[in-house]
Amino acid sequence: NAGVMQNPRHLVRRRGQEARLRCSPMKGHSHVYWYRQLPEEGLKFMVYLQKENIIDESGMPKERFSAEFPKEGPSILRIQQVVRGDSAAYFCASSPVSPGEVYEQYFGPGTRLTVT
Amino acid sequence: LAKTTQPISMDSYEGQEVNITCSHNNIATNDYITWYQQFPSQGPRFIIQGYKTKVTNEVASLFIPADRKSSTLSLPRVSLSDTAVYYCLVGKGKGYSTLTFGKGTMLLVSP
Repeated sequence: NAGVMQNPRHLVRRRGQEARLRCSPMKGHSHVYWYRQLPEEGLKFMVYLQKENIIDESGMPKERFSAEFPKEGPSILRIQQVVRGDSAAYFCASSPVSPGEVYEQYFGPGTRLTVT
Repeated sequence: LAKTTQPISMDSYEGQEVNITCSHNNIATNDYITWYQQFPSQGPRFIIQGYKTKVTNEVASLFIPADRKSSTLSLPRVSLSDTAVYYCLVGKGKGYSTLTFGKGTMLLVSP
């Protein structure tokens, strides 16, 4: 069973460009979470999605950021008009429909976004 | 969400037991305590979760006193590959929940 897949692993964008980060959850998982990690910081929650629904986007910046998890295909985190402050590692995690006795999230390897 | 406090860093040597303590004074009745491990350039990985007393799995033990205001992650006989950042999280343990990460504890294991 493949783990959570993220691509690209590294992404370089110039200021003002758009960044698209993709996440494929583990097989059988229909819940996806996005987190952002700035250098020397812990992960910060951004958004929680289920198929075709945004459940919690309380951690998303109000402008330029959007996320989706379509019925088919990966979840996408989209950052429009990137600025240097968007440079960070973006992690995706997934969890199963029925978490069972112990609840955990399975994290992908992350996408490292560098804005030049 | 309950706030957690843990040491910024710890040093150890191979073969030693390492105990990392986390304080969570305002933990709620239905909160669970979960620990994640993160290696450089990788996503966090679940280690262990508990509600009270002691939980043990193949990689670690988690000790939680009766008042649940703190918890201790115990790593037996650490190796160089245990060098990582360890995060203590407090929150809803069952069902679906977002995770709140602090800065974690950077554990450095030396030969």
